[in-house]
Amino acid sequence: DAEITQSPRHKITETGRQVTLACHQTWNHNNMFWYRQDLGHGLRLIHYSYGVQDTNKGEVSDGYSVSRSNTEDLPLTLESAASSQTSVYFCASSDGLHTQYFGPGTRLTVL
Amino acid sequence: AQTVTQSQPEMSVQEAETVTLSCTYDTSESDYYLFWYKQPPSRQMILVIRQEAYKQQNATENRFSVNFQKAAKSFSLKISDSQLGDAAMYFCAYTSGGSQGNLIFGKGTKLSVKP
Repeated sequence: DAEITQSPRHKITETGRQVTLACHQTWNHNNMFWYRQDLGHGLRLIHYSYGVQDTNKGEVSDGYSVSRSNTEDLPLTLESAASSQTSVYFCASSDGLHTQYFGPGTRLTVL
Repeated sequence: AQTVTQSQPEMSVQEAETVTLSCTYDTSESDYYLFWYKQPPSRQMILVIRQEAYKQQNATENRFSVNFQKAAKSFSLKISDSQLGDAAMYFCAYTSGGSQGNLIFGKGTKLSVKP
Protein backbone atom coordinates (compact mmCIF):
# COMPACT_ATOMS: atom_id res chain seq x y z
CA ASP A 1 0.00 0.00 0.00
CA ALA A 2 1.10 3.56 -0.68
CA GLU A 3 2.12 5.50 2.39
CA ILE A 4 3.95 8.50 3.77
CA THR A 5 6.67 8.01 6.36
CA GLN A 6 8.69 10.33 8.54
CA SER A 7 11.97 9.79 10.33
CA PRO A 8 13.03 10.00 13.00
CA ARG A 9 9.82 9.79 15.05
CA HIS A 10 11.52 11.44 17.99
CA LYS A 11 14.58 13.67 18.06
CA ILE A 12 16.38 15.56 20.80
CA THR A 13 19.00 18.07 19.76
CA GLU A 14 20.89 21.07 21.11
CA THR A 15 20.51 24.72 20.30
CA GLY A 16 22.55 25.72 17.27
CA ARG A 17 22.80 22.28 15.67
CA GLN A 18 21.61 21.55 12.17
CA VAL A 19 18.77 19.04 12.05
CA THR A 20 17.14 17.33 9.09
CA LEU A 21 13.77 15.64 9.26
CA ALA A 22 12.99 13.15 6.52
CA CYS A 23 9.69 12.68 4.69
CA HIS A 24 9.12 9.95 2.10
CA GLN A 25 5.92 9.18 0.23
CA THR A 26 5.07 6.36 -2.14
CA TRP A 27 1.80 7.86 -3.38
CA ASN A 28 3.64 9.45 -6.33
CA HIS A 29 2.08 12.77 -5.35
CA ASN A 30 3.51 15.97 -6.81
CA ASN A 31 2.53 18.16 -3.87
CA MET A 32 4.25 17.86 -0.50
CA PHE A 33 3.95 19.97 2.64
CA TRP A 34 5.56 20.50 6.03
CA TYR A 35 3.57 21.69 9.05
CA ARG A 36 4.38 22.26 12.67
CA GLN A 37 1.89 21.66 15.46
CA ASP A 38 2.02 23.61 18.70
CA LEU A 39 -0.45 23.83 21.55
CA GLY A 40 -2.93 26.60 20.94
CA HIS A 41 -1.95 27.05 17.29
CA GLY A 42 -3.20 23.99 15.46
CA LEU A 43 -1.08 23.14 12.43
CA ARG A 44 0.82 25.84 10.59
CA LEU A 45 2.42 25.57 7.17
CA ILE A 46 6.22 25.80 7.03
CA HIS A 47 7.15 25.00 3.41
CA TYR A 48 5.59 23.28 0.46
CA SER A 49 6.52 21.92 -2.95
CA TYR A 50 4.46 21.38 -6.07
CA GLY A 51 7.07 19.22 -7.79
CA VAL A 52 10.75 18.47 -8.29
CA GLN A 53 12.94 21.56 -7.90
CA ASP A 54 9.94 23.61 -6.70
CA THR A 55 9.82 24.95 -3.13
CA ASN A 56 7.73 27.68 -1.52
CA LYS A 57 7.58 29.38 1.85
CA GLY A 58 4.61 28.99 4.12
CA GLU A 59 3.32 30.93 7.09
CA VAL A 60 6.19 30.08 9.48
CA SER A 61 9.23 29.45 7.26
CA ASP A 62 11.90 31.43 9.14
CA GLY A 63 14.73 29.12 10.25
CA TYR A 64 13.66 26.25 7.99
CA SER A 65 14.56 25.13 4.48
CA VAL A 66 13.51 22.35 2.12
CA SER A 67 14.76 20.90 -1.13
CA ARG A 68 13.02 18.63 -3.63
CA SER A 69 15.30 16.52 -5.77
CA ASN A 70 12.79 13.75 -6.52
CA THR A 71 9.06 13.12 -6.29
CA GLU A 72 9.19 10.89 -3.20
CA ASP A 73 11.16 12.99 -0.71
CA LEU A 74 10.93 16.42 0.90
CA PRO A 75 13.47 16.76 3.74
CA LEU A 76 13.05 19.64 6.18
CA THR A 77 16.24 21.25 7.53
CA LEU A 78 16.60 23.43 10.58
CA GLU A 79 19.82 25.31 9.85
CA SER A 80 20.51 26.28 13.47
CA ALA A 81 17.99 24.77 15.85
CA ALA A 82 16.37 27.08 18.39
CA SER A 83 14.26 26.26 21.45
CA SER A 84 11.29 27.93 19.74
CA GLN A 85 11.44 25.16 17.14
CA THR A 86 10.55 22.50 19.69
CA SER A 87 7.35 21.14 18.18
CA VAL A 88 5.70 18.23 16.44
CA TYR A 89 6.35 18.25 12.69
CA PHE A 90 4.04 16.72 10.12
CA CYS A 91 4.71 16.00 6.51
CA ALA A 92 1.81 15.64 4.07
CA SER A 93 1.29 14.94 0.41
CA SER A 94 -1.49 15.66 -2.03
CA ASP A 95 -2.53 14.43 -5.43
CA GLY A 96 -3.43 17.96 -6.48
CA LEU A 97 -7.10 17.31 -5.86
CA HIS A 98 -6.93 19.20 -2.58
CA THR A 99 -6.98 16.32 -0.11
CA GLN A 100 -3.79 15.91 1.95
CA TYR A 101 -2.56 12.72 3.55
CA PHE A 102 -0.33 13.02 6.57
CA GLY A 103 2.69 11.19 7.91
CA PRO A 104 2.86 10.02 11.53
CA GLY A 105 4.76 13.11 12.75
CA THR A 106 8.17 13.79 14.31
CA ARG A 107 8.47 15.13 17.82
CA LEU A 108 11.49 17.44 17.97
CA THR A 109 12.92 18.78 21.21
CA VAL A 110 15.59 21.47 21.13
CA LEU A 111 17.45 21.86 24.42
CA ALA B 1 -6.52 36.24 4.48
CA GLN B 2 -8.52 33.15 5.09
CA THR B 3 -9.12 32.05 8.66
CA VAL B 4 -10.69 29.04 10.34
CA THR B 5 -12.23 29.26 13.79
CA GLN B 6 -13.22 26.44 16.11
CA SER B 7 -14.94 28.04 19.07
CA GLN B 8 -15.20 24.93 21.24
CA PRO B 9 -11.80 23.98 22.74
CA GLU B 10 -13.34 20.93 24.41
CA MET B 11 -16.51 18.88 24.03
CA SER B 12 -17.87 15.83 25.76
CA VAL B 13 -20.43 13.25 24.64
CA GLN B 14 -21.94 10.12 26.10
CA GLU B 15 -21.27 6.90 24.26
CA ALA B 16 -23.98 6.19 21.63
CA GLU B 17 -25.14 9.81 21.67
CA THR B 18 -24.73 12.47 18.99
CA VAL B 19 -22.39 15.43 19.15
CA THR B 20 -21.81 18.40 16.85
CA LEU B 21 -18.49 20.22 16.53
CA SER B 22 -18.55 23.76 15.20
CA CYS B 23 -16.35 25.45 12.64
CA THR B 24 -16.59 28.80 10.92
CA TYR B 25 -14.32 30.18 8.24
CA ASP B 26 -13.70 33.44 6.52
CA THR B 27 -12.94 33.72 2.81
CA SER B 28 -13.80 35.89 -0.14
CA GLU B 29 -13.34 33.03 -2.59
CA SER B 30 -16.10 30.99 -4.16
CA ASP B 31 -14.05 27.90 -4.99
CA TYR B 32 -12.73 26.10 -1.93
CA TYR B 33 -12.71 22.85 0.00
CA LEU B 34 -13.33 22.10 3.66
CA PHE B 35 -12.14 19.17 5.72
CA TRP B 36 -12.40 17.61 9.13
CA TYR B 37 -9.35 15.75 10.38
CA LYS B 38 -9.20 13.54 13.47
CA GLN B 39 -6.07 13.30 15.60
CA PRO B 40 -6.21 10.51 18.20
CA PRO B 41 -3.59 10.16 20.96
CA SER B 42 -1.38 8.31 18.45
CA ARG B 43 -0.90 11.75 16.87
CA GLN B 44 -1.75 10.52 13.35
CA MET B 45 -3.84 12.98 11.33
CA ILE B 46 -6.75 11.10 9.81
CA LEU B 47 -9.07 12.53 7.19
CA VAL B 48 -12.66 12.23 8.37
CA ILE B 49 -14.66 14.03 5.72
CA ARG B 50 -14.33 16.49 2.85
CA GLN B 51 -16.75 19.02 1.36
CA GLU B 52 -16.47 20.85 -1.92
CA ALA B 53 -17.93 24.36 -1.76
CA TYR B 54 -19.66 24.01 -5.11
CA LYS B 55 -21.68 21.04 -3.87
CA GLN B 56 -24.91 21.87 -2.11
CA GLN B 57 -25.30 18.37 -0.73
CA ASN B 58 -23.74 17.81 2.67
CA ALA B 59 -21.00 15.19 2.76
CA THR B 60 -21.53 11.99 4.74
CA GLU B 61 -19.15 9.22 5.74
CA ASN B 62 -20.83 6.49 7.80
CA ARG B 63 -21.52 8.01 11.25
CA PHE B 64 -19.92 11.35 10.30
CA SER B 65 -21.79 14.06 8.47
CA VAL B 66 -21.42 17.78 7.97
CA ASN B 67 -23.80 20.72 7.96
CA PHE B 68 -22.34 23.06 5.35
CA GLN B 69 -23.91 26.50 5.39
CA LYS B 70 -22.09 28.42 2.65
CA ALA B 71 -23.76 31.77 3.17
CA ALA B 72 -23.06 31.66 6.90
CA LYS B 73 -19.55 30.27 6.31
CA SER B 74 -20.22 27.48 8.73
CA PHE B 75 -19.05 23.88 8.52
CA SER B 76 -20.04 21.74 11.49
CA LEU B 77 -19.31 18.05 12.01
CA LYS B 78 -21.94 15.73 13.43
CA ILE B 79 -20.89 12.42 14.93
CA SER B 80 -23.75 9.99 15.43
CA ASP B 81 -23.74 6.96 17.72
CA SER B 82 -20.50 8.12 19.33
CA GLN B 83 -17.96 5.45 20.15
CA LEU B 84 -15.05 5.39 22.58
CA GLY B 85 -12.71 5.37 19.60
CA ASP B 86 -14.05 8.73 18.49
CA ALA B 87 -12.24 10.42 21.37
CA ALA B 88 -9.62 12.66 19.75
CA MET B 89 -8.73 16.17 18.67
CA TYR B 90 -10.74 17.27 15.67
CA PHE B 91 -9.44 19.90 13.31
CA CYS B 92 -11.39 21.84 10.74
CA ALA B 93 -9.37 22.89 7.69
CA TYR B 94 -9.82 25.03 4.59
CA THR B 95 -8.08 25.18 1.26
CA SER B 96 -8.63 27.46 -1.70
CA GLY B 97 -9.56 25.85 -4.98
CA GLY B 98 -6.56 27.47 -6.61
CA SER B 99 -4.00 26.63 -3.95
CA GLN B 100 -3.29 22.98 -4.84
CA GLY B 101 -3.85 21.98 -1.28
CA ASN B 102 -2.29 24.44 1.17
CA LEU B 103 -4.41 23.85 4.25
CA ILE B 104 -5.41 26.42 6.86
CA PHE B 105 -6.34 24.78 10.13
CA GLY B 106 -8.46 25.75 13.07
CA LYS B 107 -7.01 25.28 16.55
CA GLY B 108 -8.95 22.12 17.20
CA THR B 109 -11.63 20.73 19.47
CA LYS B 110 -10.83 18.01 21.97
CA LEU B 111 -13.65 15.47 22.07
CA SER B 112 -14.08 13.16 25.05
CA VAL B 113 -16.44 10.19 24.94
CA LYS B 114 -17.89 8.96 28.23
CA PRO B 115 -18.78 5.28 28.62
